[in-house]
Amino acid sequence: EVQLVESGGGLIQPGGSLRLSCAASGFTFSDYAMAWVRQAQGKGLEWVSGISASGGSTFYAGSVKGRFTISRDNSKNTLYLQMNSLRAEDTAVYYCVGTVTTPPNFFDYWGQGTLVTVSS
Amino acid sequence: DIQMTQSPSSVSASVGDRVTITCRASQDISTWLAWYQQKPGKAPRLLIYAASTLQSGVPSRFSGSGSGTDFTLTISSLQPEDFATYCCQQVNSFPLTFGGGTKVEIK
Repeated sequence: EVQLVESGGGLIQPGGSLRLSCAASGFTFSDYAMAWVRQAQGKGLEWVSGISASGGSTFYAGSVKGRFTISRDNSKNTLYLQMNSLRAEDTAVYYCVGTVTTPPNFFDYWGQGTLVTVSS
Repeated sequence: DIQMTQSPSSVSASVGDRVTITCRASQDISTWLAWYQQKPGKAPRLLIYAASTLQSGVPSRFSGSGSGTDFTLTISSLQPEDFATYCCQQVNSFPLTFGGGTKVEIK
């Protein structure tokens, strides 16, 4: 069974940093691209960042480019999102997502989400 | 960036009704479109990808159509478990973008 389990969310002050992790299991993690999608309370979904299977290619939304860094450790089956210079508008539930059974970027697997709250 | 516009933003319907939701892309995305269902407090669930391909395990009352800039999600006979929010997503180019969502409510 495919499982994606996020961790690392919490309350952080504006300007602070946080690193999210996503532990993957049930599939060959190193074969598949992964991504992060976020959702502010009561709002729609926003794609944040994506990374290729090897980690050699990364992509970012304009709203986080230069502040967030996506990475992966295929030996640990883990996806990361390093978030720096956090702003109030980054407050959201962050989902780790993967494309395992479908063509790239159609997200067929989602974690349960981890809440990031940026507030003083 | 490609903008995805959904309509309506909400719809009230009864069990058994046929419900249609539309999604319009700001530029041609061929069939690089997905539809998701989301219930309160839960992660989204992929329903349809490549505009019209039903994801494994999704009931056949869900269908998708369209190409280019105009797309449709249809629920042929609404069931109690279908009351949720639905949203489209384009994967034609980065940054990937989602529509604003359509809430299907009980009439």
